[in-house]
Amino acid sequence: EIVLTQSPGTLSLSPGERATLSCRASQSVSSNYLAWYQQKPGQAPRLLIYGAFSRATGIPDRFSGSGSGTDFTLTISRLEPEDFAVYYCQQYGSSPRTFGQGTRVEIK
Amino acid sequence: EVQLVQSGAEVKKPGESLKISCKGSGYRFTSYWIGWVRQMPGKGLECMGIIYPGDSDTRYSPSFQGQVIISADKSISTAHLQWSSLKASDTAMYYCATVSRGAFDIWGQGTMVTVSS
Repeated sequence: EIVLTQSPGTLSLSPGERATLSCRASQSVSSNYLAWYQQKPGQAPRLLIYGAFSRATGIPDRFSGSGSGTDFTLTISRLEPEDFAVYYCQQYGSSPRTFGQGTRVEIK
Repeated sequence: EVQLVQSGAEVKKPGESLKISCKGSGYRFTSYWIGWVRQMPGKGLECMGIIYPGDSDTRYSPSFQGQVIISADKSISTAHLQWSSLKASDTAMYYCATVSRGAFDIWGQGTMVTVSS
């Protein structure tokens, strides 16, 4: 089973700042099958990025994904008030599909 | 509009059985895998397994194999998650989601299951 480790656990930033979230896999993620999700309190998760760098439908271009192999990054170029949430990475290249433990982006 | 609508919150006692549902609409239900995801209170996301409603091919994550049953009834465009004997540790929010381009694309609103004596 591939273990995904996200860092940092919590990111304290101000609106307008850049957020950089990391996701490291215990072994190479097949075909870069890596997704990122956003979850706000009381809501279901929302798909942001799939295939490591492709934005899902309706996702603003301030969200971008990069990386390959075992190291992946989600970047939010300029934080909007609605971006403060918990973010999860997930790999779906190997069974079982696994999630990282999450990074909370909070208002500083 | 593609939508997944889940059944309502449940409160059960340990040892009881339960079956929750996830109804798809706005797309060809038999053509997309559906996954189930657990989120325990205050914790992260865990993939329980996925099912292809077209032929009921089901893949369980090892942690959930033998603990739950995932099924689908394509005649009513509905996937199910069931337990034969609930435990307190099954208390969680359960989400279903369609699988598109490999990732969990469209999510249901979640079903909260509380198991308490």
